[in-house]
Amino acid sequence: AQKVTQAQTEISVVEKEDVTLDCVYETRDTTYYLFWYKQPPSGELVFLIRRNSFDEQNEISGRYSWNFQKSTSSFNFTITASQVVDSAVYFCALSPEVGTYKYIFGTGTRLKVLA
Amino acid sequence: DAEITQSPRHKITETGRQVTLACHQTWNHNNMFWYRQDLGHGLRLIHYSYGVQDTNKGEVSDGYSVSRSNTEDLPLTLESAASSQTSVYFCASSSGLAEGNEQFFGPGTRLTVL
Repeated sequence: AQKVTQAQTEISVVEKEDVTLDCVYETRDTTYYLFWYKQPPSGELVFLIRRNSFDEQNEISGRYSWNFQKSTSSFNFTITASQVVDSAVYFCALSPEVGTYKYIFGTGTRLKVLA
Repeated sequence: DAEITQSPRHKITETGRQVTLACHQTWNHNNMFWYRQDLGHGLRLIHYSYGVQDTNKGEVSDGYSVSRSNTEDLPLTLESAASSQTSVYFCASSSGLAEGNEQFFGPGTRLTVL
């Protein structure tokens, strides 16, 4: 089965706290891609990062960092020193099956950053 | 700048009516996708297309249809709208030139079926 699980439905933090959003995936494919998207209150979906299954290096982009661990089938997203503007719904997605280009989305995690 | 647009942005209709949601992209992407977003379900794939004249069913295709007559457009039709189809609908596209290309999303259409 191919599946993405975001067990955290909603997280609330106070501004400047660090927060980690969890993403666990299931696939039998050896080649696949993982993504994170942000959906701010305005509703659009914004691409954040792509990672392929052969690249387990962690990635850092400003206050954002991602930890990809194939051993635990996880692709977690950490926001350091959170800000109110980080308040959004965050989706993790899996693109398995080489040649299909389809995504399987998790159910999303709503992050509320309180001032 | 290239973009993907959806129209209308908001639509209220009645049960049983046929509704068509438009999606237009200027990226010249081969792949186009329709999703619906519902609380507790994330985004679920309705239909997708890899090119002109190609259409495929996704996870939740019942009650929906699409057609692809050109590269730029993938309209989504609800043949006979049902209250269960009240949702936010997103169109997306990706180039398909390489594996793992990210999908670009339109702004969404909020559909209410009364």
